[in-house]
Amino acid sequence: DAKTTQPNSMESNEEEPVHLPCNHSTISGTDYIHWYRQLPSQGPEYVIHGLTSNVNNRMASLAIAEDRKSSTLILHRATLRDAAVYYCILRDWGGGFKTIFGAGTRLFVKA
Amino acid sequence: DGGITQSPKYLFRKEGQNVTLSCEQNLNHDAMYWYRQDPGQGLRLIYYSQIVNDFQKGDIAEGYSVSREKKESFPLTVTSAQKNPTAFYLCASSTLWASGSRFEQFFGPGTRLTVL
Repeated sequence: DAKTTQPNSMESNEEEPVHLPCNHSTISGTDYIHWYRQLPSQGPEYVIHGLTSNVNNRMASLAIAEDRKSSTLILHRATLRDAAVYYCILRDWGGGFKTIFGAGTRLFVKA
Repeated sequence: DGGITQSPKYLFRKEGQNVTLSCEQNLNHDAMYWYRQDPGQGLRLIYYSQIVNDFQKGDIAEGYSVSREKKESFPLTVTSAQKNPTAFYLCASSTLWASGSRFEQFFGPGTRLTVL
């Protein structure tokens, strides 16, 4: 399984944009990039996913590098409720059940 | 509302006792999963099941057992053979053949197990 690398933690001010990076230099052509987040003492929840093109939804935006070796999750205006651990995950288009969650990036949001 | 329920939220057991964690889903999902999370760590896959009466070991299955007698239920037993069972346990479910595009696992609220 291709691995991802994320910073251990990041800090942001409330109401400011946050850019969470993820490196996946061994990504294969059939791997989708997924992001989940885990609020304290809860299970992870889906945030966004993409393959090659940048993606937007109501929660966040996903910017994917042209060579697909890295991606960035963008929270446009951080709120205190966005403080969580964010996981960047690769999944093969064919599915499969072994989803590898690394340690993720813990986002701290300051008021 | 559709979702996944896990009970209890907190569980305390004495060392050497087996304990069973409950997981129920009403999302009509075929696939179900159990993960373990230790403080500051990511999730590690214990077992997963694609269909009733069938399940496969994940990365850390030793000391755990599961059953899948009903589509909506996937209980996990932490046996006395598990060397360090104190952890946060998460159950999840998903559709069976996710095409890769928006493969989404739905997670329960978790059970925090403490072995004294």
